[in-house]
Amino acid sequence: AQTVTQSQPEMSVQEAETVTLSCTYDTSENNYYLFWYKQPPSRQMILVIRQEAYKQQNATENRFSVNFQKAAKSFSLKISDSQLGDTAMYFCAFMTPNTGNQFYFGTGTSLTVIP
Amino acid sequence: ETGVTQSPTHLIKTRGQQVTLRCSSQSGHNTVSWYQQALGQGPQFIFQYYREEENGRGNFPPRFSGLQFPNYSSELNVNALELDDSALYLCAVHAYNEQFFGPGTRLTVL
Repeated sequence: AQTVTQSQPEMSVQEAETVTLSCTYDTSENNYYLFWYKQPPSRQMILVIRQEAYKQQNATENRFSVNFQKAAKSFSLKISDSQLGDTAMYFCAFMTPNTGNQFYFGTGTSLTVIP
Repeated sequence: ETGVTQSPTHLIKTRGQQVTLRCSSQSGHNTVSWYQQALGQGPQFIFQYYREEENGRGNFPPRFSGLQFPNYSSELNVNALELDDSALYLCAVHAYNEQFFGPGTRLTVL
């Protein structure tokens, strides 16, 4: 079974500071993808960053980067220079082509950026 | 740009009724998934359609059913609504090993 665990229901960070959101997953698959999605109060799920399991290099997208530890099945998201617009729910997700590209989501972390 | 749209935005139904939710994308991608997101939870996979055929299903009863049309737009139908069906329903189209989500339909069952 594929599971995704986010152990931080809520987090806050001062504007311009750095925050790290945690995610662990469990799978027996070798070929898979990991994602972080952002869901602001407007409800639209927006892809923040993705990581292919076969790539050792951690993905980076501007202020967003991940720390992918495959052996530990850990996939944390680091947000640098936090901005007020980063306030949202963040969901970690896992997908493997071997299960029909079904996505599995964690329960989310509510991030608040404080001015 | 996938331009995923969903209708309606909000919907209120009473227990026992039936509902149809719709999803379409500008680009006509051939794989679409539907999710149920209860308040304070992550999205839960309902099912996936690929080229008009169901291609995977999560742990949802048969009263949740779907359709995908030749233009790859999609419907989610829920029969015999229950109070616990109140949730945000999201559709997502698949492209380039990613999913692009629509804005969701908020369903309230009274």
